Amino acid sequence: QSVMTQPPSASGTPGQRVTISCSGSSSNIGSNYVYWYQQLPGTAPKLLIYRSNQRPSGVPDRFSGSKSGTSASLAISGLRSEDEANYYCASWDDSLSGVVFGGGTKLTVL
Amino acid sequence: QVQLQQSGPGLVKPSQTLSLTCAISGDSVSSIRTAWNWIRQSPSRGLEWLGRIYYRSKWGNDYAVSVKSRIAITPDTSKNQFSLHLKSVTPEDTAVYYCARVAYDTTGHLERLFDYWGQGILVTVSS
Repeated sequence: QSVMTQPPSASGTPGQRVTISCSGSSSNIGSNYVYWYQQLPGTAPKLLIYRSNQRPSGVPDRFSGSKSGTSASLAISGLRSEDEANYYCASWDDSLSGVVFGGGTKLTVL
Repeated sequence: QVQLQQSGPGLVKPSQTLSLTCAISGDSVSSIRTAWNWIRQSPSRGLEWLGRIYYRSKWGNDYAVSVKSRIAITPDTSKNQFSLHLKSVTPEDTAVYYCARVAYDTTGHLERLFDYWGQGILVTVSS
């Protein structure tokens, strides 16, 4: 069981906006940044969002992140077929003195 | 451009030690603005951070509670690489293992968590 909770699945149609949530606690999201990753089948995860709402260069501005209290969200607007992937949140946990991940959300583009 | 190249066996027998190496290009294992990590992924445990090493005038490390008694991550500055050693493995340690970089800003605060990853190696623990 993961320390941070994500919905196991999400879906949307092309062009739609979808959001994926990540629920944590005061020791992780509540006091640290959140990071989001996209993982395509058979590949390593790719950093999508850092410091809760910053995008690395090369990541489309269709992807955005936000954080409030002990929860965070990843929003994908203008959904495209190539966005179909697994998405993970991560954060440092002060109580565990380590990085914790969410269980992942499988996004399906209908 | 930073690249991480992993190497090591794909099959390890139970009770033995799992050892993997991550060779770094485009950065330095001794950089004071980075930490070098191992992460694994399995269907049963999802993504699991195992630990990290970093250099800040001397070497330091942090390990996940779940593997703390069995793990060591070591640097090799002559080859600019770092290695994972996980002893007394069981079939539950079967997973895809990744190495990954963490970057810190000029004030020493975490900036980019796992911005570069190795290609991953599937390690199966079986006799």
